[in-house]
Amino acid sequence: AQSVTQLDSQVPVFEEAPVELRCNYSSSVSVYLFWYVQYPNQGLQLLLKYLSGSTLVKGINGFEAEFNKSQTSFHLRKPSVHISDTAEYFCAVRDDKIIFGKGTRLHILP
Amino acid sequence: GAGVSQSPSNKVTEKGKDVELRCDPISGHTALYWYRQRLGQGLEFLIYFQGNSAPDKSGLPSDRFSAERTGESVSTLTIQRTQQEDSAVYLCASSLGGVGRSRETQYFGPGTRLLVL
Repeated sequence: AQSVTQLDSQVPVFEEAPVELRCNYSSSVSVYLFWYVQYPNQGLQLLLKYLSGSTLVKGINGFEAEFNKSQTSFHLRKPSVHISDTAEYFCAVRDDKIIFGKGTRLHILP
Repeated sequence: GAGVSQSPSNKVTEKGKDVELRCDPISGHTALYWYRQRLGQGLEFLIYFQGNSAPDKSGLPSDRFSAERTGESVSTLTIQRTQQEDSAVYLCASSLGGVGRSRETQYFGPGTRLLVL
């Protein structure tokens, strides 16, 4: 059965510092992988997705993620965060259906 | 409208009452998902509809929860005999679905905030 694990429930990081939000998945077949973002008091929106091809995918707002099949990971990164990146980030995997991780709250410290 | 809509936006009910939540997906989207998001927690998958196939109900937490979808349009999530632990935001999402990797992006509605007193 497919599953998604986001190891960090909260990640504090100073403004302009780099950040990595971790995501590991398990699935029996090839998967599609997603990162969604939920800004405070807003709905979820797609940040980026991996469907096939290049393992490094770029999304909106300067985020990128790398699909690593051998490590079954899809970590999200940004080289320099801004206060506006404060949000909750959800990793998701689609095997037979889309399953979300429990989310990681990104706190940007001034 | 062009997006996924949900109604009501907020619902307060008494323990033991039944509630019905509605989701209008984006026109043409064959896949529809319901999720539950409890305060401070992640998204919990509830049920998945894909076209005319039998729905995937594996996420429904108890037999008090049920959902229906009329063709490829409106869906209703019904919670019978509500309990306080049912209090959460119920999110609906739709996608193009079907065969084809580019069709998997989900578009979320604003959610229904349910409070069971």
